[in-house]
Amino acid sequence: SAVISQKPSRDICQRGTSLTIQCQVDSQVTMMFWYRQQPGQSLTLIATANQGSEATYESGFVIDKFPISRPNLTFSTLTVSNMSPEDSSIYLCSVEDPGEQFFGPGTRLTVL
Amino acid sequence: KQEVTQIPAALSVPEGENLVLNCSFTDSAIYNLQWFRQDPGKGLTSLLLIQSSQREQTSGRLNASLDKSSGRSTLYIAASQPGDSATYLCAPRGDNYGQNFVFGPGTRLSVLP
Repeated sequence: SAVISQKPSRDICQRGTSLTIQCQVDSQVTMMFWYRQQPGQSLTLIATANQGSEATYESGFVIDKFPISRPNLTFSTLTVSNMSPEDSSIYLCSVEDPGEQFFGPGTRLTVL
Repeated sequence: KQEVTQIPAALSVPEGENLVLNCSFTDSAIYNLQWFRQDPGKGLTSLLLIQSSQREQTSGRLNASLDKSSGRSTLYIAASQPGDSATYLCAPRGDNYGQNFVFGPGTRLSVLP
């Protein structure tokens, strides 16, 4: 199974700033996913990131707010832009390897 | 649009009990279904993956069943232990290309010593 790491593990940010979250996988994977988990809620898919193409965003999420990079088959970043307190969540990246989904440890973001 | 429910929302049991967690989904056209556990403030750990053609999967004290036609899956935990305390999530995946996993709200389990 794939092993996934995320940086940072947690952060506290000021309103209006941006944070970039990194996701590193120990093997090459085609599909990477970014999820948001708001306090007390289940997971919501933000976007799917495939190497060499633009990320595909789910309804309610836009590229200007959550730009994603996927420069190679083992790495991706998610930026949370112009943050507000409503963005306080756990952000998780995951990969499909193959057909089964594996998750990173998550990034806990608090926006003041 | 796939909708997933999990019953019960929370469960508290004494150590040693066997228990069943339920997952229901509205669209039976699934490719597979995965069960996860999540410890507070942490990421998700994959427990079991059931393909749509399978009826059940077992790993140690865990057994997951799938009734695709009725849109149901159950996770059976035998001889529960305090270390099993976590939130358990089920996630079916649609069988059309590009469809992703849809997560249920989870069952929060507490196993009391």
